[in-house]
Amino acid sequence: NAGVTQTPKFRILKIGQSMTLQCTQDMNHNYMYWYRQDPGMGLKLIYYSVGAGITDKGEVPNGYNVSRSTTEDFPLRLELAAPSQTSVYFCASTLTSGSRSAKNIQYFGAGTRLSVL
Amino acid sequence: TQLLEQSPQFLSIQEGENLTVYCNSSSVFSSLQWYRQEPGEGPVLLVTVVTGGEVKKLKRLTFQFGDARKDSSLHITAAQPGDTGLYLCAGAGNSGGSNYKLTFGKGTLLTVNP
Repeated sequence: NAGVTQTPKFRILKIGQSMTLQCTQDMNHNYMYWYRQDPGMGLKLIYYSVGAGITDKGEVPNGYNVSRSTTEDFPLRLELAAPSQTSVYFCASTLTSGSRSAKNIQYFGAGTRLSVL
Repeated sequence: TQLLEQSPQFLSIQEGENLTVYCNSSSVFSSLQWYRQEPGEGPVLLVTVVTGGEVKKLKRLTFQFGDARKDSSLHITAAQPGDTGLYLCAGAGNSGGSNYKLTFGKGTLLTVNP
């Protein structure tokens, strides 16, 4: 019963380093998302994907890249880490249908807490 | 400008008290969701409301969607320490946008003291 799995749980980076945050889901969901959560700011959408091979920018995409080569995996890449990217990152997924009234139940991972120093 | 405004931002109450949390917007949403997030975990969906005026109950929690589908409230009766957490509202489908992209409010951090 894994659901959405994120690794690592914690990471400290130096300014300018790069890293990839991993996200995998075993529910065969087509949509996947990356959010960042800063204290008192709710969740902001970074990137999302509607299926393998298709990605699109969210509200705060600058400084990040994503890829979606398989249905299961949706990694988030930070190329040149900056202190402004210190945050908690959440990956989520959902299974969509063609109905506009369909419920969008997003399932979240436990998050990756990243500090850039 | 925050599309979804939640209030209050912080709420600390005693066990057994009632409380209401609000989620307001100037935009119309096709649906609105409430999530609860505990420390160190991701948000977990509590409810989705899709019809203007809709009321849903989940044990001691009552959720209401405004008639104009611009606002929502969460009422908790006889709060318990286990209700402690961050409550987030999230809207989908505003301005004809996708039902599968959510806009989150900043959240209400609730502490229920024993």
